[in-house]
Amino acid sequence: AQSVTQLDSQVPVFEEAPVELRCNYSSSVSVYLFWYVQYPNQGLQLLLKYLSGSTLVKSINGFEAEFNKSQTSFHLRKPSVHISDTAEYFCAVKDFNKFYFGSGTKLNVKP
Amino acid sequence: NAGVTQTPKFRILKIGQSMTLQCTQDMNHNYMYWYRQDPGMGLKLIYYSVGAGITDKGEVPNGYNVSRSTTEDFPLRLELAAPSQTSVYFCASSATSGRAEGTETQYFGPGTRLLVL
Repeated sequence: AQSVTQLDSQVPVFEEAPVELRCNYSSSVSVYLFWYVQYPNQGLQLLLKYLSGSTLVKSINGFEAEFNKSQTSFHLRKPSVHISDTAEYFCAVKDFNKFYFGSGTKLNVKP
Repeated sequence: NAGVTQTPKFRILKIGQSMTLQCTQDMNHNYMYWYRQDPGMGLKLIYYSVGAGITDKGEVPNGYNVSRSTTEDFPLRLELAAPSQTSVYFCASSATSGRAEGTETQYFGPGTRLLVL
C-alpha cells in the first residue's frame, strides 16, 4: 500500500507571499498524483493532477505542482497567495484503483 | 446536474445500531468511492466500485458493507455501530480511469457527519 506524507499540518503565510506545501509518497511505480482543496464544511475539490507527460502541472487559480520521480515528491506552490486560498489542502496518490490521501495541510493566509 | 448527493447530512447513532448512508450521482460515472475523514488523518478509502455489480475493499473496510445495484447509487451500510466509526463520510465518483485528458477527476459529495455514542 502507498503512504502519503504531508509534513506540514499548518502553514501560516501573509497575503501576496509565496507558499509551498510539501507532499511525499512511498513509491513511484506508475502512480497518479493529485492535490485537492477543502473549504470548511465542504467536500474536496480537485485542484490539479499529474497523470503523465509534463512533470509541471498547473491549476486555473495560479497553483502549480511538480512531479519529481527521483524524490517521490509532488509539492504544491503558488507565487502569491490570496486570502481566498485559506483552506485545507490534501495530496493524494492513486495506485491501481485505490486512492491514498495525506493528512492534509491547513493554509492560513493572513492580511 | 446535482452532482454527488449524500443523505443524511448528520446522524447520531447509539452503539450497536445500524444505518445506511446514501450516495447518488447523476453524472453516469462508473467509478464510485466511500471515504471516512477523521481529524488530522486525511481521507481513508473504505470501499470502491468500478461499475454496477462490482465492489472492492479499500484501506479500512471493517465494519462496513456496500452494494452497487445501479450506476447511480452506492449506499454504505454500518451494521453494528461503534464509537470508532464516528467520522465524516464522503462519497465520490469519477467517470473513467486512465491517463487521457479528463480522466481521474473525482467529484465529492458534501459529506455525512456521523456520531456514535
